[in-house]
Amino acid sequence: GNSVTQMEGPVTLSEEAFLTINCTYTATGYPSLFWYVQYPGEGLQLLLKATKADDKGSNKGFEATYRKETTSFHLEKGSVQVSDSAVYFCALVDSNYQLIWGAGTKLIIKP
Amino acid sequence: ETGVTQSPTHLIKTRGQQVTLRCSSQSGHNTVSWYQQALGQGPQFIFQYYREEENGRGNFPPRFSGLQFPNYSSELNVNALELDDSALYLCASSLSPSGRGETQYFGPGTRLLVL
Repeated sequence: GNSVTQMEGPVTLSEEAFLTINCTYTATGYPSLFWYVQYPGEGLQLLLKATKADDKGSNKGFEATYRKETTSFHLEKGSVQVSDSAVYFCALVDSNYQLIWGAGTKLIIKP
Repeated sequence: ETGVTQSPTHLIKTRGQQVTLRCSSQSGHNTVSWYQQALGQGPQFIFQYYREEENGRGNFPPRFSGLQFPNYSSELNVNALELDDSALYLCASSLSPSGRGETQYFGPGTRLLVL
């Protein structure tokens, strides 16, 4: 079946560090891929998405590239801020329109 | 533009009881999806409604049921509550059920505690 695996957290970084959160998926066909973010006390928000191979999604300085050959969609940011502290979820949408989610990665940025 | 709203925000029930959670979709959205998010885990898809019809269902028992109304708001009903039903229940709306990258907009969730 379809599944999403993302690196376990928490990930703790200092401000201005480079961030990578790994995400790999298993799916039939070529699903659309998403990163959602859940800030403390808030609901899930779409961060970025990519709908086909080699697409790059970007938003708020975050980027992720849809890599079909490695079935990956790693999230990156060049210089993180304290305000980026949140839980990040990688997800795909399957042929039945279901969003299949990873377990989430908690990111802690220290000043 | 009003976002997705859910009610109530918190709820405490006992085993065996029934609960109804409510969701108002974002203006113009005809599709609503429901998810269960246990503490420290990613959301699990329960089901989706499109134009008042169930349009897909995850691996949840029949005691989880739903409705969508003509104004596209929705309800999630859970009968015979079990302790494991304690979770955050999320509602998300979208412009359509399309699987090709249609963005889902989430409400803040209802936190259910079953004692």
